[in-house]
Amino acid sequence: KAGVTQTPRYLIKTRGQQVTLSCSPISGHRSVSWYQQTPGQGLQFLFEYFSETQRNKGNFPGRFSGRQFSNSRSEMNVSTLELGDSALYLCASSPEVLGNTIYFGEGSWLTVV
Amino acid sequence: QQQVKQSPQSLIVQKGGISIINCAYENTAFDYFPWYQQFPGKGPALLIAIRPDVSEKKEGRFTISFNKSAKQFSLHIMDSQPGDSATYFCAASITGYALNFGKGTSLLVTP
Repeated sequence: KAGVTQTPRYLIKTRGQQVTLSCSPISGHRSVSWYQQTPGQGLQFLFEYFSETQRNKGNFPGRFSGRQFSNSRSEMNVSTLELGDSALYLCASSPEVLGNTIYFGEGSWLTVV
Repeated sequence: QQQVKQSPQSLIVQKGGISIINCAYENTAFDYFPWYQQFPGKGPALLIAIRPDVSEKKEGRFTISFNKSAKQFSLHIMDSQPGDSATYFCAASITGYALNFGKGTSLLVTP
C-alpha cells in the first residue's frame, strides 16, 4: 500500500505570496490532518478533514486554510506568507477518527524569503 | 500552552545501553499516548502506542511505561543501536481530536 504522498517536497516563496500544498492519503483513509513542524515550536496541529468537512482546527490564523476533496485528497493554502511560516508541513492520514494511529507523509519544506 | 512536556531535549547513549525519554501531561481526558520516531528528512513514524488501561507495553526493544496517577509516560529503548539515532516525539490525545506532541528528544547512540 502506498504511503501518504505530499507535493511539492521543497519550495521557496517570497513574503506576501501564497502557497498551496497537496496531500494524497493512504488508500482507504478518510481522515487527513495537517501539522506544522518548526525547530522552536515542534509539531503543531493545523486542521483535520474527514469526508470533506473540517472537524478540528488548531490555533493558527485565518491565513492558513485547507480543504478535502471527495477522493480524500487534501490541500492546504497559506496566504500572505510571512517569514515565520517557513517550516516543514506534514500531512497525516488515518482510516477513521483521530486519536488512533495516524500515518505521516514526508512533508513539504517551505522556505519564505 | 504545551499540553505534553517532554524531556530530555537531547540524549547521548552508548551502543547497548538503555535510552529513556520521559513525558508528562495535564489533561486527564487524554486516552491515547503514542510515540513517534523521526529520521532527518522524513516524516514521523509511529513506533509504539498505549492506552491508559495498561501500565506497560512492549514491542521488541521498545517499551512504554505509563503511570496514570502521576500523569507521566516514558519510552525505554533497550540495547540501543546507532540506527536508533533519531528524534523521538511523545504525544497524547483524546480519541476524535488531534495529537498534542511533545517538543521532541534528539537521541544519539554512539558506537
